This record gives sequence, structure tokens and C-alpha cells, in this order.
Amino acid sequence: KNQVEQSPQSLIILEGKNCTLQCNYTVSPFSNLRWYKQDTGRGPVSLTIMTFSENTKSNGRYTATLDADTKQSSLHITASQLSDSASYICVASGSNTGKLIFGQGTTLQVKP
Amino acid sequence: DGGITQSPKYLFRKEGQNVTLSCEQNLNHDAMYWYRQDPGQGLRLIYYSQIVNDFQKGDIAEGYSVSREKKESFPLTVTSAQKNPTAFYLCASSIGTDVYEQYFGPGTRLTVT
Repeated sequence: KNQVEQSPQSLIILEGKNCTLQCNYTVSPFSNLRWYKQDTGRGPVSLTIMTFSENTKSNGRYTATLDADTKQSSLHITASQLSDSASYICVASGSNTGKLIFGQGTTLQVKP
Repeated sequence: DGGITQSPKYLFRKEGQNVTLSCEQNLNHDAMYWYRQDPGQGLRLIYYSQIVNDFQKGDIAEGYSVSREKKESFPLTVTSAQKNPTAFYLCASSIGTDVYEQYFGPGTRLTVT
């Protein structure tokens, strides 16, 4: 069964600290892995898209990594800001359908 | 100002009534999608359309209907047959399927009582 699991479910950190969110997927055959940021009550916004041949991709203070062998991805946030408080969603796509499989998200709260 | 618009932001209906959610995009994208988001769950695909006048069912299409008469518009109707319609509905579009980025609208929160 194609699925995406994220951990932790929620996380609280202090402003200025770094954090790493984890994602495990079992989508096969695999095409690409995406990370989205979703503010409360808003639509998701894309942070990164990585194909199976890419190991890492950055978008400002956000760095995503991908290990296609172990089917794991992580999103590292550097020097967190209050505006980073949001839900972060990991999404895997299968190469035979192009269909997106969404994780349940990790809710990050950054406190001053 | 390009992007995807959804209206209204909040929608309230009585049980047994059909309701139509609007989704418009001016990005000239061929593909459009409707997702449903419930607390603690990942987004689930309701319907998608790769081209005008064509659409396919997603994972949870029962109780929903769509149309794609124009490239810019992809309205979703939540019918009375949908057993649990209260949810956050998100529309998205992309240039095509597969590795292309999907751009999401701001969402419509539907409450049925």
C-alpha cells in the first residue's frame, strides 16, 4: 500500500533554533518527493521537489534531503523564525500514475 | 495578479442540500485537482482533470461531482449523498501531471449541520 508517514506529529522549538522533520514513504515505483508548508486555514505552498536522483535541495533556510534507498526524507529548518509556525507536509509521487500521496503533516510551533 | 482563487472562504449548509465550491485559475494550467483535508489526515484526492471536458475520479469521489467546461474553472459540487461533507476543501492546478508542481488555492471550509 502506498503511504507516507511523518514524524514527529508535532514539535515546539524556540525561535532561532534548528529542527529536522522526518518522512518515510512506501510509494513504488517512486518518482519524486515534495515538501509543502501550510499555514493554518490556508492552502499548502511548495518548498521543494526532489526526483529520485537528487539527494538534497534547499530553499532559503529550508533544506530537504532524500535517500531513495531507505525511502526516507527529512526537512531541516535553520535558525527558525516565528513565521515558520505551520504544518509541514511530505508528499511522495509514483512514477506510474503521477498521483500524489500526502503525509498527515508535522505541526511546528516556534515560540519567542 | 496570477494564481488560484476559491470562493467562498467559509460556507455553511443544512444537511440534505447540494453546494457548489468555486475554483478559478489564471495560470494557464491544463491540470486541476480537488482535495479534501480532515484534521490529522493527509490530503485526499476527490477528482482531477487533465484537460477541458475531461475529468477522472480520485480516491474519494463518492458524493461529489465536477465539471470542466473551461480551462480556468473547475467547480466542485458536494451532493447530499456525501455522508460526511464537513471538511476543508482545497483546489490545485499544475502545468501537467507527474513531476510538475501543484499550486494550491486558499481553500474553502464547508460546514454542514
